[in-house]
Amino acid sequence: KQEVTQIPAALSVPEGENLVLNCSFTDSAIYNLQWFRQDPGKGLTSLLLIQSSQREQTSGRLNASLDKSSGRSTLYIAASQPGDSATYLCAVKGSGTYKYIFGTGTRLKVLA
Amino acid sequence: EAQVTQNPRYLITVTGKKLTVTCSQNMNHEYMSWYRQDPGLGLRQIYYSMNVEVTDKGDVPEGYKVSRKEKRNFPLILESPSPNQTSLYFCASSSRGGGSWDVGQPQHFGDGTRLSIL
Repeated sequence: KQEVTQIPAALSVPEGENLVLNCSFTDSAIYNLQWFRQDPGKGLTSLLLIQSSQREQTSGRLNASLDKSSGRSTLYIAASQPGDSATYLCAVKGSGTYKYIFGTGTRLKVLA
Repeated sequence: EAQVTQNPRYLITVTGKKLTVTCSQNMNHEYMSWYRQDPGLGLRQIYYSMNVEVTDKGDVPEGYKVSRKEKRNFPLILESPSPNQTSLYFCASSSRGGGSWDVGQPQHFGDGTRLSIL
């Protein structure tokens, strides 16, 4: 059974730092991996989606990479800002299924 | 504006009183899904639908029902709610895009429904 883990559960960094959030999954047979942002009291906003055939995706200051063989994805945030403070979640779509499995998220706080 | 709309946003009710949470999307998406979010457990998928009249169970379907009679709507029904169904619920939708279902499209989420069952 697919399991998705995000470590650390919480992270505080000073403004301007480059940072990396991690997402690990136990079954490498996935179709895609998606990174989301969740603000308090809000729904999830899709940040980046990486298909299984891709190695990375970029959007502005965000870069997500995927290494299926090792069961890992990283979300790189460049030059962090207080507005980046939120919970970041990753989700995988399993091979041969239309289900999505989510990690429990990393709560990020960027200090001004 | 492209959006997924859930109603109600907040609901406090009592055990056993049937309730329905509505979900509607205006993006003509084929795929719709319901999740619940609980502290320490993350988001877990309840049910999903590939298209009209096509639904299937997620990881935690017990105690829930869904229907997909129209493409835009995907209501979540709790026939006899119990306190362990107290949670934050999210509806999401995504397009099939131009390819097969193997190629995923980004999911769009509603703002959530906070249910408290006493």
